Amino acid sequence: DVKVTQSSRYLVKRTGEKVFLECVQDMDHENMFWYRQDPGLGLRLIYFSYDVKMKEKGDIPEGYSVSREKKERFSLILESASTNQTSMYLCASGIWNTEAFFGQGTRLTVV
Amino acid sequence: QQQVKQSPQSLIVQKGGISIINCAYENTAFDYFPWYQQFPGKGPALLIAIRPDVSEKKEGRFTISFNKSAKQFSLHIMDSQPGDSATYFCAASPEIQGAQKLVFGQGTRLTINP
Repeated sequence: DVKVTQSSRYLVKRTGEKVFLECVQDMDHENMFWYRQDPGLGLRLIYFSYDVKMKEKGDIPEGYSVSREKKERFSLILESASTNQTSMYLCASGIWNTEAFFGQGTRLTVV
Repeated sequence: QQQVKQSPQSLIVQKGGISIINCAYENTAFDYFPWYQQFPGKGPALLIAIRPDVSEKKEGRFTISFNKSAKQFSLHIMDSQPGDSATYFCAASPEIQGAQKLVFGQGTRLTINP
């Protein structure tokens, strides 16, 4: 089975902290994604990567950065966490223009 | 151009009934239209998908209807069961070489009453 693993299910961080969300996939997929899920807004793409060290901005990249040093790992970084970044964060991986496989999500609360 | 609009936001259907969720898109470059199902505490998982060369795809009780000229597609769940209660997302993917970028609808929370 394809596995996309996110390092934490729940996180509570303070405003201004630097936050790292880690994601690892075991299917040798080229493409990896970070989405944010909020009620009534669906899944919004923050960043995606189609190769090691490559990254592209999604629809809502402000306040976030990413790192992909190895093919299987894609990290989302909140440089200075703010309360409006409280959300569910979902990592996904996949092959071009086919099924995307999602992790279980990280529910981040910024206080 | 990148938006996918989904409706309704929530839906309640009696057991055995038909659940229908609709999506509309603007970008004519989209060429892959999946539906994802998400249970509480889980990430979304692919349910069924269609490409624009066909107008309908059926897998068990789940059917996608696709209208290319109207730029609309819908999910039909026949004989809906309580176990189908979940949040459903439609999505669309543009044919961007070298990258897959799924754009999602806003989601529909489906409740099937026993």
